[in-house]
Amino acid sequence: SQQGEEDPQALSIQEGENATMNCSYKTSINNLQWYRQNSGRGLVHLILIRSNEREKHSGRLRVTLDTSKKSSSLLITASRAADTASYFCATDANAGGTSYGKLTFGQGTILTVHP
Amino acid sequence: ETGVTQSPTHLIKTRGQQVTLRCSSQSGHNTVSWYQQALGQGPQFIFQYYREEENGRGNFPPRFSGLQFPNYSSELNVNALELDDSALYLCASSSPNEKLFFGSGTQLSVL
Repeated sequence: SQQGEEDPQALSIQEGENATMNCSYKTSINNLQWYRQNSGRGLVHLILIRSNEREKHSGRLRVTLDTSKKSSSLLITASRAADTASYFCATDANAGGTSYGKLTFGQGTILTVHP
Repeated sequence: ETGVTQSPTHLIKTRGQQVTLRCSSQSGHNTVSWYQQALGQGPQFIFQYYREEENGRGNFPPRFSGLQFPNYSSELNVNALELDDSALYLCASSSPNEKLFFGSGTQLSVL
């Protein structure tokens, strides 16, 4: 079953604009991760934020986490046409486990960046 | 490139048949996780192998089974294929408590 719900389902913007995607989840988590997928191929890990963190940055990416609202957002600043892809949030509820591998993914946001 | 390779890239089977999908993990990774991604959906966790033992399973029936070998490569076997098994099957390798590295997937079509 899908734990996360992502909003919006699709987002279309112009190059240079910022893109914000939101993710909500249902259960307590150990960490939340964001992934990118190009055209139904493999997923690429973008960023991981732990349950005791509120904000994290990586290059043009900014992720926030609000555990009280069970929600997260991914902001991509100064978007480029090459950012066009599907973006998924994934939660890891395996507190104290041996691996981050057992993830529950949302349904994703399709981002289109027009040149 | 993640260093995780999956084979084959595409596969067509008929209902009732059996299929084996293969995954070579990235060097140094001893954990392999398998996911099923239906069209337009997010991936769903099937199971994970850690040092050749199953280390967690998602909500999939027993006809989905797996193996991990001493070199940490892995197989996913699906018996008695159903039409709803048509999906992209993704393998991801990792070290304990580290992020996942995904392969490009095997696209399975069941007719």
